[in-house]
Amino acid sequence: DAGITQSPRHKVTETGTPVTLRCHQTENHRYMYWYRQDPGHGLRLIHYSYGVKDTDKGEVSDGYSVSRSKTEDFLLTLESATSSQTSVYFCAIRRSFWAAEGTEAFFGQGTRLTVV
Amino acid sequence: KNEVEQSPQNLTAQEGEFITINCSYSVGISALHWLQQHPGGGIVSLFMLSSGKKKHGRLIATINIQEKHSSLHITASHPRDSAVYICAAAFFGNEKLTFGTGTRLTIIP
Repeated sequence: DAGITQSPRHKVTETGTPVTLRCHQTENHRYMYWYRQDPGHGLRLIHYSYGVKDTDKGEVSDGYSVSRSKTEDFLLTLESATSSQTSVYFCAIRRSFWAAEGTEAFFGQGTRLTVV
Repeated sequence: KNEVEQSPQNLTAQEGEFITINCSYSVGISALHWLQQHPGGGIVSLFMLSSGKKKHGRLIATINIQEKHSSLHITASHPRDSAVYICAAAFFGNEKLTFGTGTRLTIIP
C-alpha cells in the first residue's frame, strides 16, 4: 500500500464541536486532496493543497478549513460540526496534477464521521 | 457544466462473463480516470487515459474523445472483481477531478 494514512478511521461527535481529521503521507507527493463521499453523489472535493501552505477550495468547502504546515500532513477541520457533515471523508495524494501522464493517485482508507 | 455520468448504476453478472461499464462526460477533458472501491471502502486507481486504450491484466479501459465516452471492460469476471467502479474526469482548464457516482458490480460464483 502507498504510504498514506488517515486518522481517526471512525469518529462520532456532537453538533457544534470542532473536529480535525488528519491525512499523513510518506510519499513526498506535492498534491493532497480532501473529499467527502455521500450516497447518490460522487466524491466531492472539499479542499486541496499543491504545496506547503498552498491550499485552495473545492466545490463543497463551506464549513471546512485546512492546513498544510509540512509536506506530509494535511489537516481538515470542521469548525463547528453539523449533521450535514456526517459523511465518509477520503484523503488522496498525487505526485502531479490530474492530467499528468504516468502518475497515479493514492487514496486513504477513509474516515467515517457521524455528527449527532 | 462539467458533468460525468456512469451506467449502469448496478450490475450483477455470473462468474466468467464479460463486463462493460460506461462513462460519458459533458465537455472536453485532459484525462479520464478509472478507480475501484472495494467493499471495505478503500479506493484504488486503475487507469488514467487521455486517448486510446490501456490494458492491465483482465481489465481494459478505452476512451473515445470525439464521442466523450469511456468504457471499462473486465474479461473472465471473478467474484473478487465485485466492487464499485468510479470514473472521474479532469476537464480542460480545471485541475480538479469530477467524479461519477459509481457502478456497483457484483459477480456471482
